[in-house]
Amino acid sequence: GAGVSQSPSNKVTEKGKDVELRCDPISGHTALYWYRQSLGQGLEFLIYFQGNSAPDKSGLPSDRFSAERTGGSVSTLTIQRTQQEDSAVYLCASSKPRPEQFFGPGTRLTVL
Amino acid sequence: DQQVKQNSPSLSVQEGRISILNCDYTNSMFDYFLWYKKYPAEGPTFLISISSIKDKNEDGRFTVFLNKSAKHLSLHIVPSQPGDSAVYFCAASNRGGGSEKLVFGKGTKLTVNP
Repeated sequence: GAGVSQSPSNKVTEKGKDVELRCDPISGHTALYWYRQSLGQGLEFLIYFQGNSAPDKSGLPSDRFSAERTGGSVSTLTIQRTQQEDSAVYLCASSKPRPEQFFGPGTRLTVL
Repeated sequence: DQQVKQNSPSLSVQEGRISILNCDYTNSMFDYFLWYKKYPAEGPTFLISISSIKDKNEDGRFTVFLNKSAKHLSLHIVPSQPGDSAVYFCAASNRGGGSEKLVFGKGTKLTVNP
């Protein structure tokens, strides 16, 4: 069966540019999460969508980061005016109403 | 302030022996714990989990032990196989508090030598 997919797999951008990262969750999963992993670090929670509830944005590091989930399915994470410290692997995960989350392969973002 | 800590960045074991990966946490509100395995250039893969109402959960070669009083959990892999070589992440959540977000440790790189 299809897992979580993310695009692009790699993104290189210049400092100051905006980027959009896309996530397609597993069909039927009601919850969607974004995390990022910086070099040598664990995964850091960014934002969480559950059904029609207001998203939990408590992990977004600054107001340059935003995310939306359209139609309860696909999600886009947008980073405005990218900075070099935004370079990381951005991981999306989805789940049923269960604690086990299933991750996509990630988008490696490099900000030059 | 790291709420989930994996103090060993790496571990090397011989094939067929037991691998023990450790994880400590500081937040007493955590009530669900998970282990993920990650290969290079792939997303983490769910391995095994345990609720705080239990102290042990077993799935094939993988067993997770939880010691709530010590705020410590461990993952045992026996027997270890070369294909188990990966980075292992411990994660925790406060489900009882209505939060499904996972708090991760920094990972332990396991190498199983043939």
